[in-house]
Parts: sequence; C-alpha cells; structure tokens
Amino acid sequence: KAGVTQTPRYLIKTRGQQVTLSCSPISGHRSVSWYQQTPGQGLQFLFEYFSETQRNKGNFPGRFSGRQFSNSRSEMNVSTLELGDSALYLCASSLRLAGRGGGYNEQFFGPGTRLTVL
Amino acid sequence: TQLLEQSPQFLSIQEGENLTVYCNSSSVFSSLQWYRQEPGEGPVLLVTVVTGGEVKKLKRLTFQFGDARKDSSLHITAAQPGDTGLYLCAGAKDYGQNFVFGPGTRLSVLP
Repeated sequence: KAGVTQTPRYLIKTRGQQVTLSCSPISGHRSVSWYQQTPGQGLQFLFEYFSETQRNKGNFPGRFSGRQFSNSRSEMNVSTLELGDSALYLCASSLRLAGRGGGYNEQFFGPGTRLTVL
Repeated sequence: TQLLEQSPQFLSIQEGENLTVYCNSSSVFSSLQWYRQEPGEGPVLLVTVVTGGEVKKLKRLTFQFGDARKDSSLHITAAQPGDTGLYLCAGAKDYGQNFVFGPGTRLSVLP
C-alpha cells in the first residue's frame, strides 16, 4: 500500500506570494491533517479535514486555509507569505476522525514540503 | 509555554549504551503517542499508550505511561546508530481532540 505523498517536496517563494501544497492520503483513509514544523515551535496542528469538511482547526491566522476533495486528497494554501512561514509542512492521513471509534487514532505522515520564504 | 515538555533536548551517546527520554506535562492526557522522525522524513508512530501505568515494549524500546497520565518515558536498551532521530511525544487531552506535540528529543547514536 502506497504511503502518504506530498508535493512539491521543496518550494522557495518570496514574501507576499501565495503557495498551494498538495497531499494524497493512503488509499481508504478519509481524514487528512496538516501540521507546521519549525525548529522554534516544533510540530503544530493546522487543521483536519474529513469527508471534504474542516473538522478541527489549530491556532493559525486566516492566511492558512485548506480543502479536501471527494477522493480525500487535500490541498493547503498560504496567502500573503511572511518570512515566519518558512517551515516543513507535514500532512498526515488516518482512517477516521480524531477521537472517533474508540479513542486514539493512528496517523501516517508524509515526508513533508519544505517551504522557504525569502 | 509548551503543553508537553521533553527532556533532554539533545542526547549524544555511544552505540551500546542505554538511555531514557522523558515527556512531561501538568495536564492529564487520555492517550499519548511516541514518534521517531528521521531527517527529510515525516514522523513515524512507534506506540500509543492509553492506560495510566501502562508499559509497552517494542524490541529494544520500552514505553511507560505515568500513573497519573501526565508523563511518559521512552527507554532504549543497547542503542544502535539506526536509533538516531528526533523522538516526539504527542498527547490528546480528550477523545475528539487532536494530538499536541512536544518539542522533541534529538538523539544521536555514534558508532
């Protein structure tokens, strides 16, 4: 079974631009979560999508948005990029929504997209 | 302020040594997970613990969840260079909530 794939793997943008990142979950997984990882803040939760609907959201500004398609693939968009948005953006897929079906959820992470904002 | 604290932040040891890394919080978690992340890759789930006092073993790795479900430890016996990586703990305070991650312990095992 293929793992979680993310494209592109590396991206360089300048301040003020916008960027779209893509994530393809493991086949059969319906939940996709996005995380931002930086050396200073660690791994922080952005949002989770399930059945094309945003179900949970972290504490990030509205410049960060996402969507999920009917095939469970997800995209994340960051508008008006700032220098501080430079990070590794990770996508994780799981079978079900966080907390449903008995408690904990096993997430499978992709390799991430390394975004550098100049 | 981090909801989850991990210590030590960095650890460099020789192959064959034993080590323990810690994950602590003032909050109670319904479950806690440990991940290992290697350079250029996403985190890989090692274990999930859900019961206070629970101990789980995965080959040379031993995971323990504190009785009060506020802390956890990961013990590695006879460390190998392949154990090198960033070890992350993540806790969910309640069912239906997403996991929050600690800052990680970066382990380097030298041959």
